[in-house]
Amino acid sequence: EAQVTQNPRYLITVTGKKLTVTCSQNMNHEYMSWYRQDPGLGLRQIYYSMNVEVTDKGDVPEGYKVSRKEKRNFPLILESPSPNQTSLYFCASSTIGGTSSSGANVLTFGAGSRLTVL
Amino acid sequence: KQEVTQIPAALSVPEGENLVLNCSFTDSAIYNLQWFRQDPGKGLTSLLLIQSSQREQTSGRLNASLDKSSGRSTLYIAASQPGDSATYLCAVSGGGNQFYFGTGTSLTVIP
Repeated sequence: EAQVTQNPRYLITVTGKKLTVTCSQNMNHEYMSWYRQDPGLGLRQIYYSMNVEVTDKGDVPEGYKVSRKEKRNFPLILESPSPNQTSLYFCASSTIGGTSSSGANVLTFGAGSRLTVL
Repeated sequence: KQEVTQIPAALSVPEGENLVLNCSFTDSAIYNLQWFRQDPGKGLTSLLLIQSSQREQTSGRLNASLDKSSGRSTLYIAASQPGDSATYLCAVSGGGNQFYFGTGTSLTVIP
């Protein structure tokens, strides 16, 4: 089954304790991205990657790191989590390009990771 | 910076009604616009994607239109059903392949 898998789905941690949220896709997609969803603010893009070793900042990258060493994986790293990073996080992937576009195409989302930082 | 607005924030309709959800964006330089639905506690499911060169896309009872020059898109749902109850989000992608999402319209279809 074509899917984007995120782990963990739920996590409660404390301020300053480094954590990694993993994201893996089995569709050979070039494009992968991370979002956070907060009430009243909608989804905001954190980082995205057009391919292996190519990453770019989204709208809200502060406090986060990513890496893209393999095409299928795009982990989100919180080096020193703070309470304002408590949120619902989504990973998504897509193909790139086509007959009428050079951009990312239909996004496939993971089920989400709910993170609470105390 | 691109800003995406969805109005109304919530909508309640009786089963069988046709309805329109609205999405507006401030920067017309987009690659595409996508509509998603999100069920409570779940991820987002793609409904329709409209490329910047297209005017509309259809899938079953759903029809999405795009007017890039005016910065607007609409999602038309025909003959609504209780199973259509969800939050509907639109997203635009532009230069640099960043995605910008609206805050969504929460739809309730009453049996």
